[in-house]
Amino acid sequence: QKEVEQDPGPLSVPEGAIVSLNCTYSNSAFQYFMWYRQYSRKGPELLMYTYSSGNKEDGRFTAQVDKSSKYISLFIRDSQPSDSATYLCAMTLTSGGSYIPTFGRGTSLIVHP
Amino acid sequence: GAGVSQSPSNKVTEKGKDVELRCDPISGHTALYWYRQSLGQGLEFLIYFQGNSAPDKSGLPSDRFSAERTGGSVSTLTIQRTQQEDSAVYLCASSLGELRNSPLHFGNGTRLTVT
Repeated sequence: QKEVEQDPGPLSVPEGAIVSLNCTYSNSAFQYFMWYRQYSRKGPELLMYTYSSGNKEDGRFTAQVDKSSKYISLFIRDSQPSDSATYLCAMTLTSGGSYIPTFGRGTSLIVHP
Repeated sequence: GAGVSQSPSNKVTEKGKDVELRCDPISGHTALYWYRQSLGQGLEFLIYFQGNSAPDKSGLPSDRFSAERTGGSVSTLTIQRTQQEDSAVYLCASSLGELRNSPLHFGNGTRLTVT
């Protein structure tokens, strides 16, 4: 079992829909949680990061962390065709060793007009 | 300012040949990472450099893979005697590295195809 599990999709939704993207993880020591967006043939770019449990909102995006369930989510409101991309979750430990994020395999999202 | 730059963007090589992939990180970033992304797979960690510390090579899949970082800046990932299973996108990222929430900035990768 991988440390970080993420459904690869593809997830296809109509424009304007609310999108929910999720990851589960097995290592309870993970404390920093990030979401990256990757367009085709481009490198990933950071969308959001959160520390420990709770919610964080940035425009149409909301990141949610539930450490008790080892489950993180990214919600996209009023989805747009330009949101079509692969979304990767990533997480890191808080202490000890070097800072090397562990990534999920990514979920491919398609928003059709 | 410029982002992370990787070259070449595409590389096709014959099985058994050696290849070198280059990464120019963002100026001032002390941390540099190499990841590999295969079709349908997530990012697989390869190697991490932080300042003058010894690199973390724990992700390198075999002794055919090596990397160096000269002068704390440019990095080169070398794959010797390439195999078809080495075909993937090789991504480089850099960060400030001193804070655990310091985001990684990725280049657009080198797409390696081994024929």
